Amino acid sequence: EIVVTQSPATLSVSPGETATLSCRTSQSVRIHLSWYQQKPGQAPRLLIYGASSRATGVPARFSGSGSGTEFTLTITSLQSEDFAVYYCQQSGDWPLTFGGGTKVEI
Amino acid sequence: EVQLLESGGHFIHPGESLRLSCSASGFTFAANAMTWVRQAPGKGLEWVSSITGSGDDTYYADSVRGRFTISRDNSRSTLYLQMNSLRAGDTAVYYCAKNRCIGCNHFDSWGQGTVVTVSS
Repeated sequence: EIVVTQSPATLSVSPGETATLSCRTSQSVRIHLSWYQQKPGQAPRLLIYGASSRATGVPARFSGSGSGTEFTLTITSLQSEDFAVYYCQQSGDWPLTFGGGTKVEI
Repeated sequence: EVQLLESGGHFIHPGESLRLSCSASGFTFAANAMTWVRQAPGKGLEWVSSITGSGDDTYYADSVRGRFTISRDNSRSTLYLQMNSLRAGDTAVYYCAKNRCIGCNHFDSWGQGTVVTVSS
């Protein structure tokens, strides 16, 4: 099983700043890495797939990068609605696995 | 607009069985693989099971293999998850999700979730 590790667990930032979230996989998943945003009481929302492709309707301030085992989600000019938990998920091999999440808080 | 509506979540005792349903609309259901993802209270996301559009191929997490069965009825645009021999550790919100494209194993639409509570 590919283990997915996210860091940090919690990220404290101020509105308008840039948040950088990391995701590492225990073996290469090429670019088969996705990012999701989840707000309290809501279902997850797909932000990024294929490591760097934005999903439909996702603002340009969200960007993804990386390949192999190291990936990054960058959120520039943080808005109030961006404070949430972010999960990465690998689809390079079965079983599909998610990271433990990074909470972005004010 | 894609809509996924889960149902069937319930309070249930260990060892018992439950079937979840997910009614889909707004897209060509038979063309898309579908997936169940769960989230235990206060915890992260856990992939449970996926099924191809035709239903010919299914995939399971080790934690549920042999106890859970994913299936679909394309004529009814409905996804199912039959859960047997339930354990306390299966307590979670269960989401159904639509795979974004053929061959994709990431999920661009999610239901609101249905709650399964397993307790004695």
